[in-house]
Amino acid sequence: DAKTTQPNSMESNEEEPVHLPCNHSTISGTDYIHWYRQLPSQGPEYVIHGLTSNVNNRMASLAIAEDRKSSTLILHRATLRDAAVYYCGSGGSNYKLTFGKGTLLTVNP
Amino acid sequence: DAGVTQSPTHLIKTRGQHVTLRCSPISGHKSVSWYQQVLGQGPQFIFQYYEKEERGRGNFPDRFSARQFPNYSSELNVNALLLGDSALYLCASSLGPASGNTIYFGEGSWLTVV
Repeated sequence: DAKTTQPNSMESNEEEPVHLPCNHSTISGTDYIHWYRQLPSQGPEYVIHGLTSNVNNRMASLAIAEDRKSSTLILHRATLRDAAVYYCGSGGSNYKLTFGKGTLLTVNP
Repeated sequence: DAGVTQSPTHLIKTRGQHVTLRCSPISGHKSVSWYQQVLGQGPQFIFQYYEKEERGRGNFPDRFSARQFPNYSSELNVNALLLGDSALYLCASSLGPASGNTIYFGEGSWLTVV
């Protein structure tokens, strides 16, 4: 199975950029990288996903290392509503996503 | 548009009982996956179904089973419940099974086994 590791927690200040790292040490060549965030008592909310090149959407940017062994989720200007547990995962070529244990992001006003 | 809907939202069962969880995917989505999330952990893959066929299975015992219906809705069944089965069960849907598709999760079904 793919192995995905993330820091347990990170802290940021409101309106500053946040870079959330993730290691995908055993990712295969056709596996996409996915990011989700989750609030207490809710299901995971889709943030972004990509394969090789960097990806942008209205919520965030995803930077993928050239060897694809790591990725970084970038929130350009953190808001209090961005406080959540962020999960990265990879997979899909074998029909499943393998997630890390998540990073708890705290945003200070 | 409705997202992924799951029922029931909360339930309490006794050890040894059986439980059925239900999921309706986003309209037009033909792939449904099930995940188990225990407190403090990321979601763990249980099953994926596409076009009513099982396409993937995670490392879960045979007490766990699922099926997908012609309207693409799905059921997850767990027999002989154990205390360790207490978790949030998540259903996710996508257009197809490939990793490049955007995968959307429902709000989950909270199962407590006592």
